[in-house]
Amino acid sequence: AQSVTQPDIHITVSEGASLELRCNYSYGATPYLFWYVQSPGQGLQLLLKYFSGDTLVQGIKGFEAEFKRSQSSFNLRKPSVHWSDAAEYFCAVGNYGQNFVFGPGTRLSVLP
Amino acid sequence: EAQVTQNPRYLITVTGKKLTVTCSQNMNHEYMSWYRQDPGLGLRQIYYSMNVEVTDKGDVPEGYKVSRKEKRNFPLILESPSPNQTSLYFCASRDYQETQYFGPGTRLLVL
Repeated sequence: AQSVTQPDIHITVSEGASLELRCNYSYGATPYLFWYVQSPGQGLQLLLKYFSGDTLVQGIKGFEAEFKRSQSSFNLRKPSVHWSDAAEYFCAVGNYGQNFVFGPGTRLSVLP
Repeated sequence: EAQVTQNPRYLITVTGKKLTVTCSQNMNHEYMSWYRQDPGLGLRQIYYSMNVEVTDKGDVPEGYKVSRKEKRNFPLILESPSPNQTSLYFCASRDYQETQYFGPGTRLLVL
């Protein structure tokens, strides 16, 4: 069965510092991988997605993620965090026609 | 404007009283789904539909029903709600690029 783990429940970084959020997945076939962000009281917004090809994917708001098949990972990165990045981040795996699975989320706090 | 709408946004009900949460999308997407979000568990898929009259169970379907009679609508039905169904519910539709568009959410409290 598909599953997604996000080992860090809560991360705190200082504004301007770099960020890496971890995501590991278990999926029987070649996965489609996604990162979503949810600001407090809001719905979910897609940051980026990976289907195939270049394993480094660029997204919105300056985020990027790297797919590493050998490690079953799809970690999200940002070189310099802004206070407005404070939110909850969800990694997800799926494929058209298949069940879509989200990780438990990582809550990001940003210190001024 | 492309969007997914849900109604109601907030609902307080009592155990056993049937309720329906509506979901509608205006993007002509074939794929729609329902999720519930609970603290520490992320979003868990309840049901999904790949097209009209085609529905399938997600990870947590117990206690829920859905129907897909038209492409744009995908209502979620709780025939006999229980307190463990208190949650935040999201409807979503998905395009062929695998991008999901989420509704604003419905916060349900079952007493």
